[in-house]
Amino acid sequence: TQLLEQSPQFLSIQEGENLTVYCNSSSVFSSLQWYRQEPGEGPVLLVTVVTGGEVKKLKRLTFQFGDARKDSSLHITAAQPGDTGLYLCAGSPYGQNFVFGPGTRLSVLP
Amino acid sequence: EADIYQTPRYLVIGTGKKITLECSQTMGHDKMYWYQQDPGMELHLIHYSYGVNSTEKGDLSSESTVSRIRTEHFPLTLESARPSHTSQYLCASSELQGSYEQYFGPGTRLTVT
Repeated sequence: TQLLEQSPQFLSIQEGENLTVYCNSSSVFSSLQWYRQEPGEGPVLLVTVVTGGEVKKLKRLTFQFGDARKDSSLHITAAQPGDTGLYLCAGSPYGQNFVFGPGTRLSVLP
Repeated sequence: EADIYQTPRYLVIGTGKKITLECSQTMGHDKMYWYQQDPGMELHLIHYSYGVNSTEKGDLSSESTVSRIRTEHFPLTLESARPSHTSQYLCASSELQGSYEQYFGPGTRLTVT
């Protein structure tokens, strides 16, 4: 059983469209991180959210941490082909080891 | 920018050979990790370390071993490589306390023939 669920698993959209991907858990997390991984490379940290209800913006990317600290979302505005990659959420549930979700594979077509 | 390095980036080796994958970080992080990831699949934690002389097994059973003699260095060794070991191996590091943000190296793509 996955401690962190991510949806959708795959997403293919046209350049310029908006999208949201989700990261959900039944556990409470002290913080959650989002990473992007390109083929053949290691994941790159995008952001860390720490406070329940927190919203962070990184250019066209908006990250939100749920009020109950069990879920998070990533919204991309006007997606570009350079946004293509595997988006991973990760975190450490209280008292447990750090875990990664299975990822959302995003493809943005020109 | 994260300063964590892995060598080699690509390795093709025959069955039965002993191999060591190198990982070094210059951030002074105490905690280091090794993950295994097959193409298009999720990351699986195989080893981690809290600091010098500390090594722990991760969630995924692995025939590899690790050592942590220096803070900055966390090599992974396979005594006898097999085709089932073919995968991408990713090294990461983080601070011991706090938000546990992990910084990853570029990975080693291992192919055992």
